[in-house]
Amino acid sequence: DTAVSQTPKYLVTQMGNDKSIKCEQNLGHDTMYWYKQDSKKFLKIMFSYNNKELIINETVPNRFSPKSPDKAHLNLHINSLELGDSAVYFCASSRINEQFFGPGTRLTVL
Amino acid sequence: GENVEQHPSTLSVQEGDSAVIKCTYSDSASNYFPWYKQELGKGPQLIIDIRSNVGEKKDQRIAVTLNKTAKHFSLHITETQPEDSAVYFCAASISDTGNQFYFGTGTSLTVIP
Repeated sequence: DTAVSQTPKYLVTQMGNDKSIKCEQNLGHDTMYWYKQDSKKFLKIMFSYNNKELIINETVPNRFSPKSPDKAHLNLHINSLELGDSAVYFCASSRINEQFFGPGTRLTVL
Repeated sequence: GENVEQHPSTLSVQEGDSAVIKCTYSDSASNYFPWYKQELGKGPQLIIDIRSNVGEKKDQRIAVTLNKTAKHFSLHITETQPEDSAVYFCAASISDTGNQFYFGTGTSLTVIP
């Protein structure tokens, strides 16, 4: 059983398009996150949701919007994609302290 | 806010030798310090963690130490094996403030057979 899953694993798209990445966790965790990992492997927090409320929103462009239909899902919507959005995006979830990551989605914007 | 620094950024060791990765943090309120291993093409995986009421924790070949006074914590891997090659991240968390995690910049470890 996959604890934190993401789809798709790879996403190649043209500049200006709108895309979504889905994330699901079956751990019963209260908090979910989205991270962006650039080519230098730096992990940057983008959003986190706790009980469907946004509790962290770092300085990311408003083209990025997290949407949580329920506690087990946190999807990431990206509008008007730009070349600089190319990266690996990781979903994660946590309860109390332990945080678990999904396998990542490699986004390539052409 | 919290600032976590991690060194070195790259580390090469011979198989069987030990590897040490060090991190420092700035916020004395941080009370949980996990370490993650990221293999190529995969997400970071929690390998060991330590809480602020403990000075050292060991799990087989890996151990973590915490010095609260100096605000630094370290990962120690003994008897390294080629499969230990990966990127390792340290992190700090203040569990009372909504599960915010602050990550170090990562260490790429290569174990040479």
